[in-house]
Amino acid sequence: EPEVTQTPSHQVTQMGQEVILRCVPISNHLYFYWYRQILGQKVEFLVSFYNNEISEKSEIFDDQFSVERPDGSNFTLKIRSTKLEDSAMYFCASNPTGARNEQFFGPGTRLTVL
Amino acid sequence: GENVEQHPSTLSVQEGDSAVIKCTYSDSASNYFPWYKQELGKRPQLIIDIRSNVGEKKDQRIAVTLNKTAKHFSLHITETQPEDSAVYFCAASSNNDMRFGAGTRLTVKP
Repeated sequence: EPEVTQTPSHQVTQMGQEVILRCVPISNHLYFYWYRQILGQKVEFLVSFYNNEISEKSEIFDDQFSVERPDGSNFTLKIRSTKLEDSAMYFCASNPTGARNEQFFGPGTRLTVL
Repeated sequence: GENVEQHPSTLSVQEGDSAVIKCTYSDSASNYFPWYKQELGKRPQLIIDIRSNVGEKKDQRIAVTLNKTAKHFSLHITETQPEDSAVYFCAASSNNDMRFGAGTRLTVKP
């Protein structure tokens, strides 16, 4: 069964550095999402992406964040200048048809900002 | 934007008993309500979902009810088993976003 994959599984970075988190959505899916989950807290929506542009974004997704689909398979989340509070698990998700349907989550990337 | 409240934050039941988790949402435009189970260190896994044109849905030991007028929906797990122990999240979605509740840590004691 196809799955969403994410790399790396764990990323450690220094405060102020840029990080890029990578996701490979399921191949026939058209809608892509990023979520974050601070340890022990709820899953928080960051952004959705369809047809090569942002569809929705939350108040968390400020100018420090950007998303890109650089080729036909990868979907990336970039954090330009990481802060301590960016430390969290970042989940990518995808689904074939958008709203009102199941989103398939990747295994997550644990980001630690020192 | 959408705001989802979830209760209780923790729930402990004996094996075989039922568990009920309740959520409310604020955006009347929300029309999709999934429930996720998350085990420690793992990704959220969809266990059941309901759309706004349906009031109730059941899948074996799991059922979900939706009251659109009151803007609340509930998860019911019957005949609980120790492997049901996990954190459960409700969520609500209207467009291409999804807002989660704060989670309920369910513990099923053998």
